[in-house]
Amino acid sequence: NAGVMQNPRHLVRRRGQEARLRCSPMKGHSHVYWYRQLPEEGLKFMVYLQKENIIDESGMPKERFSAEFPKEGPSILRIQQVVRGDSAAYFCASSLRQGVDTGELFFGEGSRLTVL
Amino acid sequence: GDSVTQMEGPVTLSEEAFLTINCTYTATGYPSLFWYVQYPGEGLQLLLKATKADDKGSNKGFEATYRKETTSFHLEKGSVQVSDSAVYFCALSEREYGNKLVFGAGTILRVKS
Repeated sequence: NAGVMQNPRHLVRRRGQEARLRCSPMKGHSHVYWYRQLPEEGLKFMVYLQKENIIDESGMPKERFSAEFPKEGPSILRIQQVVRGDSAAYFCASSLRQGVDTGELFFGEGSRLTVL
Repeated sequence: GDSVTQMEGPVTLSEEAFLTINCTYTATGYPSLFWYVQYPGEGLQLLLKATKADDKGSNKGFEATYRKETTSFHLEKGSVQVSDSAVYFCALSEREYGNKLVFGAGTILRVKS
């Protein structure tokens, strides 16, 4: 589990501000996933990226949310004009390869966003 | 679409009690099944997995058997410890969607000494 680094661990924003969450995958992993955990709920898939490509964004809200995973540097989840309903824990995960033989994802410790 | 249903919690047990957390799934193909554990303030950790019918995953005294006929993957442990207190998530992964995981809502386990 160690190795997926997320920052910041805690982020407080006021309504209307922007939130940027960063994720560095485990060394050698080129597949990154973002999940959101609302209070008292399980994790919900948001987006799956490979280097420079968005593979599946079916869980991403159509507005205000975007994600990228550039050739160099961490993956970024960006939330524009945050609202109180965006308050949640955002987890990043990485994997070595696509397609399941193990399907094992390695999760970071999460970034907890609070919108005031 | 694919889904995972877990028993609602919280589950409260005394130390050394037997644990069962039920998990059933709905999937169109032949998913891999997982149990993840989330300790307070931490991210999820893979606890165990099974990739085909009748496989048994096991780790740290926990076990779960992939039952295709009942579409279930119940988590069991013979003797729980206080340190097992956490949230347990059942999940599935459909091969054709890469490593996308579909999670259940999670079950809180509290073990009292």
